[in-house]
Amino acid sequence: DTTVKQNPRYKLARVGKPVNLICSQTMNHDTMYWYQKKPNQAPKLLLFYYDKILNREADTFEKFQSSRPNNSFCSLYIGSAGLEYSAMYLCASSSPWDEQYFGPGTRLTVL
Amino acid sequence: SQWGEENLQALSIQEGEDVTMNCSYKTYTTVVHWYRQDSGRGPALIILIRSNEREKRSGRLRATLDTSSQSSSLSITAAQCEDTAVYFCATVAGGADRLTFGKGTQLIIQP
Repeated sequence: DTTVKQNPRYKLARVGKPVNLICSQTMNHDTMYWYQKKPNQAPKLLLFYYDKILNREADTFEKFQSSRPNNSFCSLYIGSAGLEYSAMYLCASSSPWDEQYFGPGTRLTVL
Repeated sequence: SQWGEENLQALSIQEGEDVTMNCSYKTYTTVVHWYRQDSGRGPALIILIRSNEREKRSGRLRATLDTSSQSSSLSITAAQCEDTAVYFCATVAGGADRLTFGKGTQLIIQP
């Protein structure tokens, strides 16, 4: 099973409120990633976990948090949503040097 | 930016025609991935080409890589309606786990 699951598929949030997105995989992959994708833009890597080590991209360092309580689950947390956070959030997982398997995404709309 | 400005945004062709999508990149990479994203789903790897390969084929897909010009192409032979999707190229930059995506091409195959 090469499925990466994301919950919820659609999320509506109010400006200033927190948002928590969930991702899971059962492939025992070492690495799990979060990307942000806006219309007509490339998916942008936000952060990734290699095992228990979190790596956050420099330009999004303060905007997103994440946790990985076990190998299968990874969350993406926004402490205070702004309008600019409206986007599709894609989770992916992989083994080292292997292809990344993507989930279907969570469409976040901030109002 | 990792990417040049030559990436097409949208391409519409008739069923049965051949099509080529191009991308160029600015930073050294050892591999170019091509992903396909269908509506409502996450990106899925369809072909990858390494720096020691000039051409790679998979079914009706053909990828090329020119490391001297830092460009790659994806060709689809005899396009079918089910080829309608967004196609992204991605390079490995800044470490084995970091994929940097191009903006993508929306390919529409008209019946």
